[in-house]
Amino acid sequence: NAGVMQNPRHLVRRRGQEARLRCSPMKGHSHVYWYRQLPEEGLKFMVYLQKENIIDESGMPKERFSAEFPKEGPSILRIQQVVRGDSAAYFCASTGTAQETQYFGPGTRLLVL
Amino acid sequence: AQTVTQSQPEMSVQEAETVTLSCTYDTSESDYYLFWYKQPPSRQMILVIRQEAYKQQNATENRFSVNFQKAAKSFSLKISDSQLGDAAMYFCAYPGSANFGNEKLTFGTGTRLTIIP
Repeated sequence: NAGVMQNPRHLVRRRGQEARLRCSPMKGHSHVYWYRQLPEEGLKFMVYLQKENIIDESGMPKERFSAEFPKEGPSILRIQQVVRGDSAAYFCASTGTAQETQYFGPGTRLLVL
Repeated sequence: AQTVTQSQPEMSVQEAETVTLSCTYDTSESDYYLFWYKQPPSRQMILVIRQEAYKQQNATENRFSVNFQKAAKSFSLKISDSQLGDAAMYFCAYPGSANFGNEKLTFGTGTRLTIIP
């Protein structure tokens, strides 16, 4: 059974470029959560999606950040015009239903130069 | 707003000994569940244990067990027979109401556990 997949594992961008982070949930899972972990901090919730729907984006910055989870394909977290403060590890987690345990992917480490 | 507090930024334990990591949380819900996750140097988030609030019995997974005190809103993790592979950051996490339908996790700030050979 494949777990939660994230790619790329490492991403380097220059200020002003775009970053696209992908998350493929576990087989049979239709709920995806994105979290951000700044250096030496805990994980902070960003957005919760179900297939084709954003359920809760209360943790996402209002500008430059967007997320989607299409009917087919992985969930995408998109960061436009990246700044150095966006450097962090971005994790996604998936569940089959809303009350199940969240299983995490390996994360994407974003470094903005 | 829900909060999760881990008051021990760092802990160390001798190999084969027992260590307890503390966690307190704030909630007005009555039905919920709680998690401990570990994050080793690889930075992968790995589930350690889950506790349902309605259960009287404390959850146990091999060498890992919890001391869940619902009235005190306390959820500590006990690691018995500590092994070198247990060295990691440990995060307590609370997802809110089990019936709410949106279980976004609130994490504590973590406890860094060092195992002394």
